[in-house]
Amino acid sequence: KAGVTQTPRYLIKTRGQQVTLSCSPISGHRSVSWYQQTPGQGLQFLFEYFSETQRNKGNFPGRFSGRQFSNSRSEMNVSTLELGDSALYLCASSPHTVNTGELFFGEGSRLTVL
Amino acid sequence: GDSVTQMEGPVTLSEEAFLTINCTYTATGYPSLFWYVQYPGEGLQLLLKATKADDKGSNKGFEATYRKETTSFHLEKGSVQVSDSAVYFCALSSTDTGNQFYFGTGTSLTVIP
Repeated sequence: KAGVTQTPRYLIKTRGQQVTLSCSPISGHRSVSWYQQTPGQGLQFLFEYFSETQRNKGNFPGRFSGRQFSNSRSEMNVSTLELGDSALYLCASSPHTVNTGELFFGEGSRLTVL
Repeated sequence: GDSVTQMEGPVTLSEEAFLTINCTYTATGYPSLFWYVQYPGEGLQLLLKATKADDKGSNKGFEATYRKETTSFHLEKGSVQVSDSAVYFCALSSTDTGNQFYFGTGTSLTVIP
C-alpha cells in the first residue's frame, strides 16, 4: 500500500510569493491534516480536512489555507510568503474520524523563503 | 489550551543504557496520548499510544504509561540500541470531532556503541 505522498519535496521561494503544496493520502484515508515543523517550535497544527470539509484549524494567519478534493487529495497554500514561513510542511492522513487513531505522515515539503 | 511539554534534548546514551524521556501534558477532557518517532531521513511514525488513564502503550521495547494524576506519559526503554537513534515526539489529541494533535518540540536521542 502506497504511503502518504507529498509534492514537491523541496522548494525555494522569495518573500511575497505564494506557494501550493500537495498531499495524496493513503488510499481509503479520508482525514488529511497539515503540520508545520520548525526546529524551535516542533510540530504546529495547521488544519484538518475530512470529506472535503475543514474540521479543525490551528492558530495560523489567514495567509495559510487549504482544501480537500473529492478523492481525498489535499492542497495547502501560503500567500504573501514571509521569511518565518521557512519550514518543513508535513501532511498526515488517517482512516479514523476520532482522536484515538494514528496519523500516517508523509516525508514533507521543505520550503525555504529567501 | 491543550499542550505538551517534553524533555529538552539532545540526549546521548551508550548502547544498553536505560532511557527515559519525560513528557507532561495539559488538556481539557480526556486526551489520547502518543509517542511518535522520526528516524534519520524518514517520516514521522507512530511508536506507541494510550487512549485512557492507566493504559500502557508498548512497542519495540519502548513503554509509556498514561498517568492522569501526574498528567504524564514518560517514554522508557530498558536497553537502547544504536538503531534507536532518532527524534522522539510526545503528542496528544483531545478533540472528539477530528484528528487535531498537539506535539511536543521533540527530543533527539543519539545512542553510541
